Amino acid sequence: EAEVAQSPRYKITEKSQAVAFWCDPISGHATLYWYRQILGQGPELLVQFQDESVVDDSQLPKDRFSAERLKGVDSTLKIQPAELGDSAMYLCASRIQGAGANVLTFGAGSRLTVL
Amino acid sequence: GDSVTQMEGPVTLSEEAFLTINCTYTATGYPSLFWYVQYPGEGLQLLLKATKADDKGSNKGFEATYRKETTSFHLEKGSVQVSDSAVYFCALSRSSNTGKLIFGQGTTLQVKP
Repeated sequence: EAEVAQSPRYKITEKSQAVAFWCDPISGHATLYWYRQILGQGPELLVQFQDESVVDDSQLPKDRFSAERLKGVDSTLKIQPAELGDSAMYLCASRIQGAGANVLTFGAGSRLTVL
Repeated sequence: GDSVTQMEGPVTLSEEAFLTINCTYTATGYPSLFWYVQYPGEGLQLLLKATKADDKGSNKGFEATYRKETTSFHLEKGSVQVSDSAVYFCALSRSSNTGKLIFGQGTTLQVKP
């Protein structure tokens, strides 16, 4: 069964350092999402791509977060500098264009701990 | 704005007990509704969905009915197993174009043998 791949699974960093997460969606999925899940809360959308274009980044803290999907396939989410409050699970999801009822497939996530 | 509210957890049940996890939503129009499940150390998996009022989603013994009059989508299962222990998220999507999901805070289910 096709999966959304994410790396690294776990990342520990000190505040003010830079950190990056990578996501490879299911082949052929044009829509890619990055969600942040703080412990004990539901996931919140950070950024959404349609192919290589950003379609929604209204909740992305743009002073420190950036995301790209240069060739419309895999994507990178970067945080610089990391802050203590960035400790969370970062989830990537993808969806095939035209899929009914908005069924997203999620990766296993990247858990970030900022010390 | 759109929002989803779930019952507080954790919910602790004995094996074979009946499960209900309450979910209510606020949204304009006719959103699609979902339940996702997150097992320890894993990503979210779609459990079931419903796209219009009175639809019943079902999967693996779990069911939920889209009730527009009460803006609810409660998750039920007649007999839970230890393997059902996980975090359950209710979610809605208002746009079939963007696919953006808005999640509730999640409810942890612990099933004891």
